[in-house]
Amino acid sequence: EAQVTQNPRYLITVTGKKLTVTCSQNMNHEYMSWYRQDPGLGLRQIYYSMNVEVTDKGDVPEGYKVSRKEKRNFPLILESPSPNQTSLYFCASRGTSTDTQYFGPGTRLTVL
Amino acid sequence: EDQVTQSPEALRLQEGESSSLNCSYTVSGLRGLFWYRQDPGKGPEFLFTLYSAGEEKEKERLKATLTKKESFLHITAPKPEDSATYLCAVDKLSFGAGTTVTVRA
Repeated sequence: EAQVTQNPRYLITVTGKKLTVTCSQNMNHEYMSWYRQDPGLGLRQIYYSMNVEVTDKGDVPEGYKVSRKEKRNFPLILESPSPNQTSLYFCASRGTSTDTQYFGPGTRLTVL
Repeated sequence: EDQVTQSPEALRLQEGESSSLNCSYTVSGLRGLFWYRQDPGKGPEFLFTLYSAGEEKEKERLKATLTKKESFLHITAPKPEDSATYLCAVDKLSFGAGTTVTVRA
């Protein structure tokens, strides 16, 4: 089954404690991206990657890092989380020959 | 800067009561307008892509249309299972805040 998986699905942490949210897709897609979703603001892109070792900033990259060492994986790293990063995070992927973007199930992060 | 505005924020419908959702956008050189459905606790699910003014696409009770300034998602004779938040996006990057549709039986 074609899918995008994220882990963990729920995470409560404290300010300053480094964390990583993993994202993996099994569709051999070149393009992957991370979004955060906040009430009233919609989905905002954090980072995206066009292919392995190619990443670029989206609209709200501050406080986040990403890496793309393998085609299937695109982890989101918060080196020093702060309460304003409390949000619902989605990973997404698509192939280069299609506009259909597939989203993961989401990770709800709370930073205390 | 691309801007996407969806209205209304929320829509409550009786089963069978047709209605429309609006997505207004400002973008220099539209490359594509996308509609997604999002159920509570889940990621957005792709519905349609529209590329040029006048284009229409249909899927079951949903029909999406596009003009040079806005897109409409028409829901014909909705059923309770059509209850969801509907998101539009331009050029895959800029999303609206969504319209939450609730259909009562």
